[in-house]
Amino acid sequence: LAKTTQPISMDSYEGQEVNITCSHNNIATNDYITWYQQFPSQGPRFIIQGYKTKVTNEVASLFIPADRKSSTLSLPRVSLSDTAVYYCLVEGAAGNKLTFGGGTRVLVKP
Amino acid sequence: KAGVTQTPRYLIKTRGQQVTLSCSPISGHRSVSWYQQTPGQGLQFLFEYFSETQRNKGNFPGRFSGRQFSNSRSEMNVSTLELGDSALYLCASSLDSWGTEAFFGQGTRLTVV
Repeated sequence: LAKTTQPISMDSYEGQEVNITCSHNNIATNDYITWYQQFPSQGPRFIIQGYKTKVTNEVASLFIPADRKSSTLSLPRVSLSDTAVYYCLVEGAAGNKLTFGGGTRVLVKP
Repeated sequence: KAGVTQTPRYLIKTRGQQVTLSCSPISGHRSVSWYQQTPGQGLQFLFEYFSETQRNKGNFPGRFSGRQFSNSRSEMNVSTLELGDSALYLCASSLDSWGTEAFFGQGTRLTVV
């Protein structure tokens, strides 16, 4: 099973870029990496997903090095509303979604 | 389109009782996964159903079970409740279960007293 590790918390300021790195040393060949955002009293919300190299959408970028043993979620120009917990998830084939990271609590300050 | 609906939102049960939680996925989604979230253990995968079949199961005791109906709605059941079962139970649905975006419900907050 892929074990994921991510920082417990990080602080930032409005307008800055936030980068959160997740380690998944024993990721399997067919595993995807997905990031979710969660606000208090809500279910997680999908942010971005990738398999290798770089993926970008309207809210974030995901960088995955060639060895795929880690991934970095990049949130450009954060705002106060980006204060949340961010989870890294390694998803195996056939829905083997066993491994969430412990979550990174991001606090965006004015 | 309607999102993932979980019922009830809140539940209080007594130790030893059993409980059934319900999840209605987004229309057209065939995969439903269940997760337990606690402050101490974080988000933990319980099981995943696809087209009425359990495809994957996490590392939880047999007291935790689930099923999926032909309309993709899913239920999970916890028997002989323990205090440690107090948690937020989340359901997520997706078109398929691998490499596709999952949509989470707001969860059912279960408190065991």
